Amino acid sequence: DIQMTQSPSTLSASVGDRVTITCRASQSIGSWLAWYQQKPGKAPKLLIYKASSLQSGVPSRFSGSGSGTEFTLTISSLQPDDFATYYCQQYNSYSYIFGQGTKLEIK
Amino acid sequence: EVQLVQSGAEVKKPGESLRISCQGSGYTFTNYWISWVRQMPGKGLEWMGRIDPRDSHTIYSPSVEGHITISADKSLSTAYVQWSSLEASDTALYYCARLDGSCRHSNCYAFDNWGPGTLVTVSS
Repeated sequence: DIQMTQSPSTLSASVGDRVTITCRASQSIGSWLAWYQQKPGKAPKLLIYKASSLQSGVPSRFSGSGSGTEFTLTISSLQPDDFATYYCQQYNSYSYIFGQGTKLEIK
Repeated sequence: EVQLVQSGAEVKKPGESLRISCQGSGYTFTNYWISWVRQMPGKGLEWMGRIDPRDSHTIYSPSVEGHITISADKSLSTAYVQWSSLEASDTALYYCARLDGSCRHSNCYAFDNWGPGTLVTVSS
């Protein structure tokens, strides 16, 4: 089974910072990777699909990159609304594996 | 506007049965698959299974296969997950999410819309 590992588990940053979250797959998944944002008490929200495509309505400060086994989510300039937990997800037609999550906290 | 409306919170005892629902609106229900995702208290997201409402073809995560049943009624635009015998470890928040399984859209297979979640508490 494919495993998805995110790092770091927790990240402390300030408004205006540039932050990067990494997601590694235990085997190559091509570009079949999504990133989600989840705020406390809310459902997750799709940010990025196919590793680097921005979901409609998502601010352009969010970007994704990578392919194969290593992927990154970058927020170019943190805004107060961005403090949340972020999950990567490997997906295809029959398998949907989430990473363990990265909690982005205010420094 | 696309909406996935989920049934309300449930409190059950171990061994009891339960069915929770997810009704889609604002889109053609049969054009999208529905997945169910579990989030245990204070934990991350775990995919449970998905269904194609056109033909009710279903696949499950190995971690829950045999313990849950996912179904859909396309005439009601509603998907379900049910348990015949709940366990305390089933206590969690359950989300439904839709995904384009036919790749009509560029974000196919990603979960582009989510329901608000149904909290299930199993306790004696």
